[in-house]
Amino acid sequence: EPEVTQTPSHQVTQMGQEVILRCVPISNHLYFYWYRQILGQKVEFLVSFYNNEISEKSEIFDDQFSVERPDGSNFTLKIRSTKLEDSAMYFCASSGSIADSYNEQFFGPGTRLTVL
Amino acid sequence: AQSVAQPEDQVNVAEGNPLTVKCTYSVSGNPYLFWYVQYPNRGLQFLLKYITGDNLVKGSYGFEAEFNKSQTSFHLKKPSALVSDSALYFCAVSPYNTDKLIFGTGTRLQVFP
Repeated sequence: EPEVTQTPSHQVTQMGQEVILRCVPISNHLYFYWYRQILGQKVEFLVSFYNNEISEKSEIFDDQFSVERPDGSNFTLKIRSTKLEDSAMYFCASSGSIADSYNEQFFGPGTRLTVL
Repeated sequence: AQSVAQPEDQVNVAEGNPLTVKCTYSVSGNPYLFWYVQYPNRGLQFLLKYITGDNLVKGSYGFEAEFNKSQTSFHLKKPSALVSDSALYFCAVSPYNTDKLIFGTGTRLQVFP
């Protein structure tokens, strides 16, 4: 069964450093997402991406964040200068099409980001 | 404001008994509603969705959910719980004209043998 994969599973970084979180969505999917979950809190939407551009973003997704689909398979989230409060589990998700019936989003296992 | 509420942090049920995990939502327009389950060290796994049509929707692993528009609820149910159902369950809503998911805080289901 196809699945979303994410690397690394755990990333430790120093405050102020740049990190790139990587995701490989399901191969025939068209829509890509990033969510995060701070420990003990709810899962929060960050950004959605379609046709090589951001389709929607939340207030959390400020200028420190960027997303990219550098090739036909990877989807990345970059945090330019990490802050302590960026420590969280980051989930990538993908879905097929929302043309006629809403397609559910498939989630990866997550990357735990720890900012020291 | 658009939101999802899961009023119970934890639900405990004996194996073989029916279970209910509650969810209410607040969105404008017709919502798309989802349930996801999270096992330890795993991502969120899709269980079921309501888009339109029958208020009772059936999903994976014997789970079902009932959409109640007047009560703005979407409770998750299963007639007979299994120990292996023990996990963290998230209700989510996608407001009209957007594809982002708004999640509830999650409910931990504990099924005892």
